[in-house]
Amino acid sequence: DAGITQSPRHKVTETGTPVTLRCHQTENHRYMYWYRQDPGHGLRLIHYSYGVKDTDKGEVSDGYSVSRSKTEDFLLTLESATSSQTSVYFCAISEPRGSGNEQYFGPGTRLTVT
Amino acid sequence: RKEVEQDPGPFNVPEGATVAFNCTYSNSASQSFFWYRQDCRKEPKLLMSVYSSGNEDGRFTAQLNRASQYISLLIRDSKLSDSATYLCVGTSGNTPLVFGKGTRLSVIA
Repeated sequence: DAGITQSPRHKVTETGTPVTLRCHQTENHRYMYWYRQDPGHGLRLIHYSYGVKDTDKGEVSDGYSVSRSKTEDFLLTLESATSSQTSVYFCAISEPRGSGNEQYFGPGTRLTVT
Repeated sequence: RKEVEQDPGPFNVPEGATVAFNCTYSNSASQSFFWYRQDCRKEPKLLMSVYSSGNEDGRFTAQLNRASQYISLLIRDSKLSDSATYLCVGTSGNTPLVFGKGTRLSVIA
């Protein structure tokens, strides 16, 4: 299994509070991604990073920010959590080679906003 | 139109059956395709990569049809342990993957 961990694994928080989720990898992969997964929507990309301090938005980036100060860590922050951000959040990593870009996923963080 | 579309299922098949899923993609620039397997309340795990016309790994065969812009996954001799959701993914170069919503498979004893 790829060396990817996410913390916390479960979190319950109140509307309006800031929340930070952490993704940590030991593979030295250049690319890191944050997705959310909801019933009926599948996996949707929030933000991704293609190197230290290099990030870009995905399709559902509103209300989220990210930071990557080290290769191994990619943080996702919900600036002011809302109930619509209740979801399962997955981090993924990849190291593109040629035309391939296989991604490997962390175990997920289940976030509930009450 | 969603870039990657899959039949959500569920596909309910008996053990030993052969089952096939299709996935269509709208971005003709997509170069690489993958099938992921996701078990309930778990992360997606890479099942197969499909770089050219197809790929085979044991009971699993993935095919790519660029002219019709679809990829397929064939599972032969289905096992109970094959029950999961199968996600189809396409990408072009280093752009982020676009995931389909998944096809749910239940293999029944």
